[in-house]
Amino acid sequence: DQQVKQNSPSLSVQEGRISILNCDYTNSMFDYFLWYKKYPAEGPTFLISISSIKDKNEDGRFTVFLNKSAKHLSLHIVPSQPGDSAVYFCAASAMVGGAQKLVFGQGTRLTINP
Amino acid sequence: GAGVSQSPRYKVAKRGQDVALRCDPISGHVSLFWYQQALGQGPEFLTYFQNEAQLDKSGLPSDRFFAERPEGSVSTLKIQRTQQEDSAVYLCASSLVDRGLSGYTFGSGTRLTVV
Repeated sequence: DQQVKQNSPSLSVQEGRISILNCDYTNSMFDYFLWYKKYPAEGPTFLISISSIKDKNEDGRFTVFLNKSAKHLSLHIVPSQPGDSAVYFCAASAMVGGAQKLVFGQGTRLTINP
Repeated sequence: GAGVSQSPRYKVAKRGQDVALRCDPISGHVSLFWYQQALGQGPEFLTYFQNEAQLDKSGLPSDRFFAERPEGSVSTLKIQRTQQEDSAVYLCASSLVDRGLSGYTFGSGTRLTVV
């Protein structure tokens, strides 16, 4: 049972344009949603997050939107830069047993073309 | 140290061999997590420590997997009698407090290949 899904395994965007990465979830108990960026041979790096009580969070070029009724979130990157090329993981968290356990999607490989 | 350190970076094991993977969390980080990432998939939760106490081991796939953190700092994930399906990247993460908005700091992982 995949609780967090990223249905696009890859995405290619031209430099300077907007990149939109999508994520769907099934569990209404998730209280935070996070995006991680991963380069090859490195661990995931925290990018941006949003609480389930918000519908938007912005940090520089990165904005995350949450649509709770649709159980959908998206990450917008604008303008896209070549250094943004990486695998992006959507993750959802819920407090279980005293810890914020993360449930990850399968990832989307973003390629920014010059 | 400045980040979460994992060793070895790469491990090739023959089927049936026992392996031990080490995680050095950021100094002072109370929470420590182990995740398993299979090829083409996202990381999946294995187990969680708060200091030396293992509070959740619900993600460990079988009794061949064992994790410990005896002094509340360094943690070791041990896999006994490795199988081919154990081949994956094993990620360790630590955090100072359990706050979803801050997320964790992940190490670079140990890539285990069972042949």
